[in-house]
Amino acid sequence: NAGVTQTPKFQVLKTGQSMTLQCAQDMNHNSMYWYRQDPGMGLRLIYYSASEGTTDKGEVPNGYNVSRLNKREFSLRLESAAPSQTSVYFCASNRASNTGELFFGEGSRLTVL
Amino acid sequence: RKEVEQDPGPFNVPEGATVAFNCTYSNSASQSFFWYRQDCRKEPKLLMSVYSSGNEDGRFTAQLNRASQYISLLIRDSKLSDSATYLCAVNGGGTSYGKLTFGQGTILTVHP
Repeated sequence: NAGVTQTPKFQVLKTGQSMTLQCAQDMNHNSMYWYRQDPGMGLRLIYYSASEGTTDKGEVPNGYNVSRLNKREFSLRLESAAPSQTSVYFCASNRASNTGELFFGEGSRLTVL
Repeated sequence: RKEVEQDPGPFNVPEGATVAFNCTYSNSASQSFFWYRQDCRKEPKLLMSVYSSGNEDGRFTAQLNRASQYISLLIRDSKLSDSATYLCAVNGGGTSYGKLTFGQGTILTVHP
């Protein structure tokens, strides 16, 4: 059972480059999330999708875009990467947005030089 | 003020000790509460939900105080394997409905 799969696991970018983080879940969950985690800051919500076809901003959406491609997939795009976006990114999903058990992917470590 | 705040620690305790973490939240309309555990360089995983009446799972006890807007986690008889970061999470109400907000995490190290 794969759960939540994120790709890539590691990426180094130069300032101004673009990239897309991919996330897929095989649990038939309705809701999906993107968080970033920085030292001393905990997990901060970037965007979430309560259901297929909807997306909403979280706490720190600036500099990011998302696409809920279908029920399984939720991608995060950095159009013009900045050093401040160096972080560990986690994708997560749950059955419904009013339940608290999020299932996380293993994380994607992004460094922007 | 942050929506969810935790004492980041670190907490260094000997095996067998009892340790408690608190987490405060600012949104009085928050509806549900959780504790997650995160091992070094791994993803967070749900440890336990926090119910109004309090709940216990083996050595772990979670409590909610709505009046003072905090949740707590008590770990009894600490084991080396309990060393991790503990994150509280709050599912907000109102405009924050459906958004799970995390505290910054409390680092626990249990030593022999």
